[in-house]
Amino acid sequence: DSGVTQTPKHLITATGQRVTLRCSPRSGDLSVYWYQQSLDQGLQFLIQYYNGEERAKGNILERFSAQQFPDLHSELNLSSLELGDSALYFCASSPYTENTEAFFGQGTRLTVV
Amino acid sequence: GQSLEQPSEVTAVEGAIVQINCTYQTSGFYGLSWYQQHDGGAPTFLSYNALDGLEETGRFSSFLSRSDSYGYLLLQELQMKDSASYFCAAYSGGYQKVTFGTGTKLQVIP
Repeated sequence: DSGVTQTPKHLITATGQRVTLRCSPRSGDLSVYWYQQSLDQGLQFLIQYYNGEERAKGNILERFSAQQFPDLHSELNLSSLELGDSALYFCASSPYTENTEAFFGQGTRLTVV
Repeated sequence: GQSLEQPSEVTAVEGAIVQINCTYQTSGFYGLSWYQQHDGGAPTFLSYNALDGLEETGRFSSFLSRSDSYGYLLLQELQMKDSASYFCAAYSGGYQKVTFGTGTKLQVIP
């Protein structure tokens, strides 16, 4: 158990809908990272927050957004969902700004139908 | 752009040694990490190399050669539980950018 908690574990929704994925980092970790893993795209870095501020941006679509709250938990919002957004979404955390050693949650499997 | 190449599959015998290679093309390269992921599970951090040379952590070692844009993960005394996918990840842009390889599926056979 990495100490990173993600909810929900599974999510099935229809195209065009909006969903929110939630992540609680390990106790004391200030950085939260979001990743998407799909069969065709592999593991991709989406976005990083450090102590409430956006720190780095990867291949995140404009339809997606994230935020980190004062208690350090984070939410990833996915809107206008498309079939191609079906994937595993991982959250990871680390105590540092660099994500060279990140601790991953068990992921949320999103299925868009 | 950034790209990392890994073999897609490797098969090795229990108790043996296996090396998983990773070549990268990354501008502004800072370092290379390795992650293990079992089917249906989350990636787990294994090692990180910022400098050339070998880093050893128990049965796992990782090597980096910046001049060759190349690294590898070495797994010794293979166990059945080592059957998993292994990803290399390259950091650049002041650690703000990370690119993952496509992963190597390791199958350990008796």
